[in-house]
Amino acid sequence: KAGVTQTPRYLIKTRGQQVTLSCSPISGHRSVSWYQQTPGQGLQFLFEYFSETQRNKGNFPGRFSGRQFSNSRSEMNVSTLELGDSALYLCASSFGIGYGYTFGSGTRLTVV
Amino acid sequence: SQKIEQNSEALNIQEGKTATLTCNYTNYSPAYLQWYRQDPGRGPVFLLLIRENEKEKRKERLKVTFDTTLKQSLFHITASQPADSATYLCAIPTSGTYKYIFGTGTRLKVLA
Repeated sequence: KAGVTQTPRYLIKTRGQQVTLSCSPISGHRSVSWYQQTPGQGLQFLFEYFSETQRNKGNFPGRFSGRQFSNSRSEMNVSTLELGDSALYLCASSFGIGYGYTFGSGTRLTVV
Repeated sequence: SQKIEQNSEALNIQEGKTATLTCNYTNYSPAYLQWYRQDPGRGPVFLLLIRENEKEKRKERLKVTFDTTLKQSLFHITASQPADSATYLCAIPTSGTYKYIFGTGTRLKVLA
């Protein structure tokens, strides 16, 4: 079966711009989570969606937002980009609690 | 707040030996703990999940133990191969949520 698909794979943006990242989960997985990965902080939880509802949110500023569509596809948006937002953004889907994540390959965002 | 500690130093071992990686957590014991493998520039790959009532779990050359008294999980790779070289991450759910905390990972290098 197809894995988790994230687009785009690479992105270069300028400070102050906004960006939208997309994630298509594995078919049948209704839980979609987003993580930010940086060398210094490791994997940091952004948010988790289930059936179009945000169930959990991490400790990120309001510039980071997301949503999930009825087909379980998810998007995350970062507004007013800062240099510190440069990171690998990972989307992961899961069948449910107590099951492992399947991660996508990530979107490498560079803010200049 | 819950924290995970993994040995941040790289672990170098000879091919054929058993690699043992450690994951320590603070505060409450989670209902389960997961291990992932991550290769450079890629998303983590789920390896094993062990529940609090399971002392040990095996999958091919992989073995995970979970000691809730010591608040520790050990991850073993037996008969290690150069292809096992990667960063290994452990993850636990935060209490009562669908939000996961990841360790910063231990980089394993298997020398031929």
